[in-house]
Amino acid sequence: AQKVTQAQTEISVVEKEDVTLDCVYETRDTTYYLFWYKQPPSGELVFLIRRNSFDEQNEISGRYSWNFQKSTSSFNFTITASQVVDSAVYFCALSEGPSGSARQLTFGSGTQLTVLP
Amino acid sequence: KAGVTQTPRYLIKTRGQQVTLSCSPISGHRSVSWYQQTPGQGLQFLFEYFSETQRNKGNFPGRFSGRQFSNSRSEMNVSTLELGDSALYLCASSKTGQGPTNEKLFFGSGTQLSVL
Repeated sequence: AQKVTQAQTEISVVEKEDVTLDCVYETRDTTYYLFWYKQPPSGELVFLIRRNSFDEQNEISGRYSWNFQKSTSSFNFTITASQVVDSAVYFCALSEGPSGSARQLTFGSGTQLTVLP
Repeated sequence: KAGVTQTPRYLIKTRGQQVTLSCSPISGHRSVSWYQQTPGQGLQFLFEYFSETQRNKGNFPGRFSGRQFSNSRSEMNVSTLELGDSALYLCASSKTGQGPTNEKLFFGSGTQLSVL
């Protein structure tokens, strides 16, 4: 069975600080996909990034970057120069494939990020 | 382009009643999936519909059901409501539901259901 663990329940940082959100996953599949979603107070989940299990190349997209390490089953997400508008709950999610479905995501419990001015 | 629309935004019901929630996906999207979010259990997959057929189902009792119409709009129904069904119900749509399984989901703002 697949499982996603986000050990950090809440994180508070001061604006402009960098912050890293941790995610550890468990899966028996060799093909899988990892995602980060953000949930602002309005409720809708907003897609941020995705990575498939074959590509461990870490990338940067604007202020977002991620570190995917299969050896430790981790998929950490970093926000550089945080802003107050980044305050939200962040979810890491996993889907298995090709037999799995991207629409069936297993979510972690979420990390509440608060960025203070 | 309009996003995923869920109605109603808030709903209050009493135990034993039934409820129907509605979801209109992004225009052109054919896959609709539903998730339940509670403080205790977090986000859990309910089911997914594609071309009016349920393609995937999570581990929920039969009181939870859904359907999809020919225009891709979807409804979910919960019968014989229990207090534990109080949750935010999120609907998500994706473009084709086929091909690479890393297709991203677009979520609505959800329906907050309170069972008294």
